[in-house]
Amino acid sequence: GQQVMQIPQYQHVQEGEDFTTYCNSSTTLSNIQWYKQRPGGHPVFLIQLVKSGEVKKQKRLTFQFGEAKKNSSLHITATQTTDVGTYFCAVYNTDKLIFGTGTRLQVFP
Amino acid sequence: NAGVMQNPRHLVRRRGQEARLRCSPMKGHSHVYWYRQLPEEGLKFMVYLQKENIIDESGMPKERFSAEFPKEGPSILRIQQVVRGDSAAYFCASSHTTGGNQPQHFGDGTRLSIL
Repeated sequence: GQQVMQIPQYQHVQEGEDFTTYCNSSTTLSNIQWYKQRPGGHPVFLIQLVKSGEVKKQKRLTFQFGEAKKNSSLHITATQTTDVGTYFCAVYNTDKLIFGTGTRLQVFP
Repeated sequence: NAGVMQNPRHLVRRRGQEARLRCSPMKGHSHVYWYRQLPEEGLKFMVYLQKENIIDESGMPKERFSAEFPKEGPSILRIQQVVRGDSAAYFCASSHTTGGNQPQHFGDGTRLSIL
């Protein structure tokens, strides 16, 4: 079945440092979604990317969709302790969402 | 609260018992999805339902697990004769429509512990 790999698996940063997680697929994607899950919480939808090369920003978060639509990245500028959590990319396979392996972000004050 | 409602939040069962997990989708949503999340792992798709129909159950174990979404009432994920390996967080999500481009809205999950 379709697999979506994310790297790194874990990332520990000092507050104020930047953070990036990468999502890779072996197949061309029609779109990609990103979710955030706080520790002990549930996934929360962040954004969807559709177009090749698309870049979207949400405050300190920048999302990018690769030109070939096979990869995507999420970059956080100047991390804060509120950014702690696991970030998942997710893609649709017919009618079901396939989640990436996730990147767990820990931010030290 | 118009969000996805799941109950119970925590459920403890002994091996061999049955577990019933309930999910009420967001108002106006008719598409329900169930996912399982083991500790420190990602979410694994289990089943996708619309009212009174199972659309895709390719992620459901062949035995002991079943799901329904009746015309009236919440969606139910049922696990019979639970085993220790069933311990996990089970999340329900709903969407307004389907078609491969809809965001999914998740409930708080049910944390199932098997003694």
